[in-house]
Amino acid sequence: ETGVTQTPRHLVMGMTNKKSLKCEQHLGHNAMYWYKQSAKKPLELMFVYSLEERVENNSVPSRFSPECPNSSHLFLHLHTLQPEDSALYLCASSPNSGTTGELFFGEGSRLTVL
Amino acid sequence: AQSVTQPDIHITVSEGASLELRCNYSYGATPYLFWYVQSPGQGLQLLLKYFSGDTLVQGIKGFEAEFKRSQSSFNLRKPSVHWSDAAEYFCAVGSNDYKLSFGAGTTVTVRA
Repeated sequence: ETGVTQTPRHLVMGMTNKKSLKCEQHLGHNAMYWYKQSAKKPLELMFVYSLEERVENNSVPSRFSPECPNSSHLFLHLHTLQPEDSALYLCASSPNSGTTGELFFGEGSRLTVL
Repeated sequence: AQSVTQPDIHITVSEGASLELRCNYSYGATPYLFWYVQSPGQGLQLLLKYFSGDTLVQGIKGFEAEFKRSQSSFNLRKPSVHWSDAAEYFCAVGSNDYKLSFGAGTTVTVRA
C-alpha cells in the first residue's frame, strides 16, 4: 500500500460539472498539500493544511475548494473549471508543516477540462 | 522570496555515462535544498536533501549533490546512469515555513 493515494487517477470533466479529487495518506503525517503541475512549469502550491486547519491558500480561484475532514484525508472540490485548469494535481503529506521534513507525494490526478 | 532555476530543460545521456543536472537558487538565508525525481505517471520521490553540515550529500539510487554557497548552486550528479534513471528531476528550495519552491524540472533521456 502506497503512503499517499490519490483518486481518481484520471478525470475528464466539462466546464459546468462538479467533481472532487480525493487524497488519503497512511503515514500518520500532520500536514497535507495540494499542488498543481502543468507541463514545463514549476509546481504551484495551492493549499496547505496543518492538523486539519488550512494554513495557506495561495491565491487559488474559488472554483477550487479544499476540504480536510481529518489528518488522513484531503479533498479538492472542483466547480465550473476552465480549460486552463487542465493539469496534474498532486497531493502530498509531511510529518509537520515545516519544510525541514520531506514531502511524500501521491501519483497525481490527471484532470482534463473540456 | 525564494526561487529555483534549472537551466537545462532536457538532457540526453548514454547508459553508463555520467550525469550532472544543474540547479541554482535564490534565497537570502541558509536554504533547505532538495532534489526530487518523477518517473512517468508517478508522483515525486525525494532523492536527497541538504539542511546543513557536509556540503556533499548522498541520496538514493546512487545520486549525490553538492551545495556551493558561493555559486548558489545545488547540482545533482550520478557517476553512471541506468536506463531506469530516465525521468524528470526537480530541484526545490525551502525556508522555515511550509513553502517549497520548485524549479521547472529537467527531463533526462537515457539512450542505449
